[in-house]
Amino acid sequence: AQSVTQLGSHVSVSEGALVLLRCNYSSSVPPYLFWYVQYPNQGLQLLLKYTTGATLVKGINGFEAEFKKSETSFHLTKPSAHMSDAAEYFCVVTHSGGSNYKLTFGKGTLLTVNP
Amino acid sequence: ETGVTQSPTHLIKTRGQQVTLRCSSQSGHNTVSWYQQALGQGPQFIFQYYREEENGRGNFPPRFSGLQFPNYSSELNVNALELDDSALYLCASRPSAGRSTGELFFGEGSRLTVL
Repeated sequence: AQSVTQLGSHVSVSEGALVLLRCNYSSSVPPYLFWYVQYPNQGLQLLLKYTTGATLVKGINGFEAEFKKSETSFHLTKPSAHMSDAAEYFCVVTHSGGSNYKLTFGKGTLLTVNP
Repeated sequence: ETGVTQSPTHLIKTRGQQVTLRCSSQSGHNTVSWYQQALGQGPQFIFQYYREEENGRGNFPPRFSGLQFPNYSSELNVNALELDDSALYLCASRPSAGRSTGELFFGEGSRLTVL
C-alpha cells in the first residue's frame, strides 16, 4: 500500500522568495517519487523524479527535491519564485514492482506567487 | 514525437447517459492508464491497459470500462452517468515496463459535466 500527504493545500509566496512544498509518503516497498505540476485548465507535466541513486534531484524550471528515507519525505524547493510558477503541484508515489505502475497522488498544493 | 492527445476536451451529459472518451498514446508507448480528477482533488487511478488487456484497476465500479486498440489508442466508457462523475478525465501513457522508470505522460484531459 502507498499513500502521499501534502502539507498545506495552499502556499502563497512573494516573487523572488523561496518556494517550499512539503510531501510525506508511505510505501511498503522502495518508492519511486515524482512531482507533477498542473497549470490552469491543462494536464499534468512532470517536474522531476526520484527512482534510485542520488537523493537530490533537479527538475525543470529550477525546481529540486530531496528524497529523505529516514523522514519519508520528498519536499519540493525552488530558491526564487517566479510569477509563472503559480500552479497546482502534486506529489506522487509509485513503485517498481511488476508492470502495474499505479500512481498515487497527493491532494495537491496550490502555489500562488504575489508580485 | 507526438504527445498524448484526448478528445473531446469538454462535454456535457445528463444523468443516466453513457459517455465515451478517447485517447491516443504518445508514440512508442504501449501502456495506457486513465485517471479521474474531481474538482480540487488529486487524480485517482481508474485502470491501466497493456497489450489490449486491463492489468490494474482502482476503486471504480464496473460501469467504468475501457478498451485499448492494437495501435495503443484507448477509450474510457462510463455507463449510467451520475452527478459525481463530473470531473476531468486524464489519459496517460508510458513505455513498456523494461523501458520505463514509472513516470506517466499525461494528456490535457476531457472535462465531463453531468447535469
